[in-house]
Amino acid sequence: QKEVEQNSGPLSVPEGAIASLNCTYSDRGSQSFFWYRQYSGKSPELIMSIYSNGDKEDGRFTAQLNKASQYVSLLIRDSQPSDSATYLCAVGGYLSGGSNYKLTFGKGTLLTVNP
Amino acid sequence: SQTIHQWPATLVQPVGSPLSLECTVEGTSNPNLYWYRQAAGRGLQLLFYSVGIGQISSEVPQNLSASRPQDRQFILSSKKLLLSDSGFYLCAWSVGTEYNEQFFGPGTRLTVL
Repeated sequence: QKEVEQNSGPLSVPEGAIASLNCTYSDRGSQSFFWYRQYSGKSPELIMSIYSNGDKEDGRFTAQLNKASQYVSLLIRDSQPSDSATYLCAVGGYLSGGSNYKLTFGKGTLLTVNP
Repeated sequence: SQTIHQWPATLVQPVGSPLSLECTVEGTSNPNLYWYRQAAGRGLQLLFYSVGIGQISSEVPQNLSASRPQDRQFILSSKKLLLSDSGFYLCAWSVGTEYNEQFFGPGTRLTVL
C-alpha cells in the first residue's frame, strides 16, 4: 500500500513569512511529485510539479525533492492571507505489475497566514 | 485551452436512491479520466479511472460504477446510495504522458440523508 504522509496542521505563519510544508512517501519507485492547493469548499488546483532531485522555483513557490530521503517539500515565500488553504502532496507512480500511472494523495496540511 | 465541467454542483439524495454524476472535458482528445471522492478526514480516494472509451478500472469495491460513453465524457453512477456515499466527488483529467499531471473539475458535493 503506497502512502503519502503530511502533517495535518494547522500551520500558522504571519504575513510575509516563509511557510514550509513537508511530505514523505513510502514508494521508492515514485517518479513524479505534485503540490495542489485547495481552498475550503473548492477543488484542488495544481501549483507545482517536480520530477528530479533538487529545487524548482515558480514565483513565490519552491518545491524541493530528495528521493533518497523520500521527502518532498513546498516553500512559500512572502506568504499572503490569500495563501491560506489546504495543501495536498501527491506522488505518482505505476501501479504494481501494471502499466497504469496513479497519483496517491496525502491528506493535506492546512495553512493559515495571519495578517 | 482545456476545461472540465461537472454537474450538478450540489446534490442531496435519500438513502437508496440512484445517482448519476457527469463530467465532460473540452479542448483535449483521448484524455485519461478519473473519479475521486474526498470525505472529511480521509483525503482524496481514487474510485475509477479510464484510459479510453469503454475502458474502466475500479480502485475500490463499492456500490458505485463508472462509464465512459464518449471520449470526453465520464459518468459516475449508483443504483442505491448509502449514507457512506456522502462526500465531495471530483473528476480529473490528464494527458497520457509519464508525468501524469492531473487537473480537477469543480466537483459535486453529495449529501445522502
